[in-house]
Amino acid sequence: DQQVKQNSPSLSVQEGRISILNCDYTNSMFDYFLWYKKYPAEGPTFLISISSIKDKNEDGRFTVFLNKSAKHLSLHIVPSQPGDSAVYFCAASEAGTASKLTFGTGTRLQVTL
Amino acid sequence: GAGVSQTPSNKVTEKGKYVELRCDPISGHTALYWYRQSLGQGPEFLIYFQGTGAADDSGLPNDRFFAVRPEGSVSTLKIQRTERGDSAVYLCASSLNAGEETQYFGPGTRLLVL
Repeated sequence: DQQVKQNSPSLSVQEGRISILNCDYTNSMFDYFLWYKKYPAEGPTFLISISSIKDKNEDGRFTVFLNKSAKHLSLHIVPSQPGDSAVYFCAASEAGTASKLTFGTGTRLQVTL
Repeated sequence: GAGVSQTPSNKVTEKGKYVELRCDPISGHTALYWYRQSLGQGPEFLIYFQGTGAADDSGLPNDRFFAVRPEGSVSTLKIQRTERGDSAVYLCASSLNAGEETQYFGPGTRLLVL
């Protein structure tokens, strides 16, 4: 049972445009959400997070939106840059589980020139 | 400062053999996590340490898998009687404290069981 789902395995966006990566979850006990970015042969790198008490968190070019009623979150990257090309993982944790993360399957973003 | 390091970076072994994978967390991080990433999947939680003790080992697939962290720093993931299905990238992460949501990952060990 996949509790965190990223239904788009890949996404291609032109440089300078907005990239929108989506994530859905089924476990209503999740209360903290994170996005990680992964380059080939490297470990995932933390990008941005959001607590369930918020609906938006912004850090530079990256913004995460959380819609609790829809159990949906999205990552917006604007403007997209070629260096953003990577696999993006959505992850979630439940309160009281000491940060045990449940990951989605990832979305490969390619930013083209 | 140094990030999380993992050794070896690649390990090829034969079915039935024993392997050990090592993780050096970021200095001062008390929490350490092991995940496994199979091809086309996201990382899956295996086990988490707070200090020297395994606080949650609910993700270990069976009793062939075992992990230790005897001095509260370096951790070793041990796999006995390896099977081809154990082939994956094994990722280690650490965080400053338990409940600290941001986990910092190492580059992983790619295990191939022939």
